[in-house]
Amino acid sequence: IAGITQAPTSQILAAGRRMTLRCTQDMRHNAMYWYRQDLGLGLRLIHYSNTAGTTGKGEVPDGYSVSRANTDDFPLTLASAVPSQTSVYFCASSDSGGGSYNEQFFGPGTRLTVL
Amino acid sequence: GQNIDQPTEMTATEGAIVQINCTYQTSGFNGLFWYQQHAGEAPTFLSYNVLDGLEEKGRFSSFLSRSKGYSYLLLKELQMKDSASYLCAVWGNDYKLSFGAGTTVTVRA
Repeated sequence: IAGITQAPTSQILAAGRRMTLRCTQDMRHNAMYWYRQDLGLGLRLIHYSNTAGTTGKGEVPDGYSVSRANTDDFPLTLASAVPSQTSVYFCASSDSGGGSYNEQFFGPGTRLTVL
Repeated sequence: GQNIDQPTEMTATEGAIVQINCTYQTSGFNGLFWYQQHAGEAPTFLSYNVLDGLEEKGRFSSFLSRSKGYSYLLLKELQMKDSASYLCAVWGNDYKLSFGAGTTVTVRA
């Protein structure tokens, strides 16, 4: 693994189904983030984690949950998918989280379609 | 809350210069980022400004005026590979990034 990876690359999902998007980084970054990107709206923060064991809500957290059991992994779960969750999902990480600057590194994204 | 505005689209000719403006009204400010995103790909970091003034990095420069809530990204000697979306993002008081909707730049031969 080099950098930050996401799985799956794309997924078509029936409404009401549960889905977990996976994100793994090997840079030992303490902070990780989940965004969704929709046309005309830009990137919006769903949830974040400043360090393993802690998580926080972003701008659009409803319908999503996250966990951060270790430094490397930050899965995003849709408990019961709805069509409005159709989007491209990006995971990101940074070597910061509370005060020092560092840019965020983004994974390649997961394209999710909920029918 | 955060309000970040940038133009939706810009078109320029290969070899020319393009300036992408970004204005922001945010609850706190700890820096401004510019990211580049090619179609179907992840955003990649271009620049970071926290103090007023111009930061130059090769063909790309970024300017910040904190008192005016204003930044611009200057792309010089445009190349076809510069066709992409450019995202302005503000690092607010809560130390989370808030993104503008992005500016799609099309470079024509």
